[in-house]
Amino acid sequence: GAVVSQHPSWVICKSGTSVKIECRSLDFQATTMFWYRQFPKQSLMLMATSNEGSKATYEQGVEKDKFLINHASLTLSTLTVTSAHPEDSSFYICSASGTGGPDTQYFGPGTRLTVL
Amino acid sequence: DAKTTQPPSMDCAEGRAANLPCNHSTISGNEYVYWYRQIHSQGPQYIIHGLKNNETNEMASLIITEDRKSSTLILPHATLRDTAVYYCITSSNDYKLSFGAGTTVTVRA
Repeated sequence: GAVVSQHPSWVICKSGTSVKIECRSLDFQATTMFWYRQFPKQSLMLMATSNEGSKATYEQGVEKDKFLINHASLTLSTLTVTSAHPEDSSFYICSASGTGGPDTQYFGPGTRLTVL
Repeated sequence: DAKTTQPPSMDCAEGRAANLPCNHSTISGNEYVYWYRQIHSQGPQYIIHGLKNNETNEMASLIITEDRKSSTLILPHATLRDTAVYYCITSSNDYKLSFGAGTTVTVRA
């Protein structure tokens, strides 16, 4: 159990376009979902926290108008990178938690974004 | 949020137990200790977590000192597939996970 999927697993896009990444909890209801970004040879950095039906809470330095997060259901959250630029190229990873409390976060396999 | 300190790297022999230390001397009373690992180019994988008591599951054991200032993750019989970056994380009040640099564990045949 506790499987989280992401789609797509990798995407290449042109500079200036928008890219949507989906995160799904397959076998549990995710009250809270988290979005992380990881640059090469670095650790994961939390971008934002989203609770189902609420606006996402963004970490300091993360542009909320650039990284749009929607958590419309208990099994789906989406991250849209708007007007992508080469510096947005990164490994984007989501995680999902069932209760929103001190509960285990289960991570998706990640999405590799390359902006040309 | 409590911070954790881990050795940057360690090697271990295949088939032997791997003991991964973590220092979290500023942990507060209601913070859990979580361990995750990340194999190259994959999302992190949950291993185990605990609050005060030692914990064991099918993957590993977690030993937390009585004062909760440090813990040790034990992989009982390391295999080559256990080669990964291991993260020791203490949960924040809003249950966010703050990843540090972790320990790069290399299991050698």
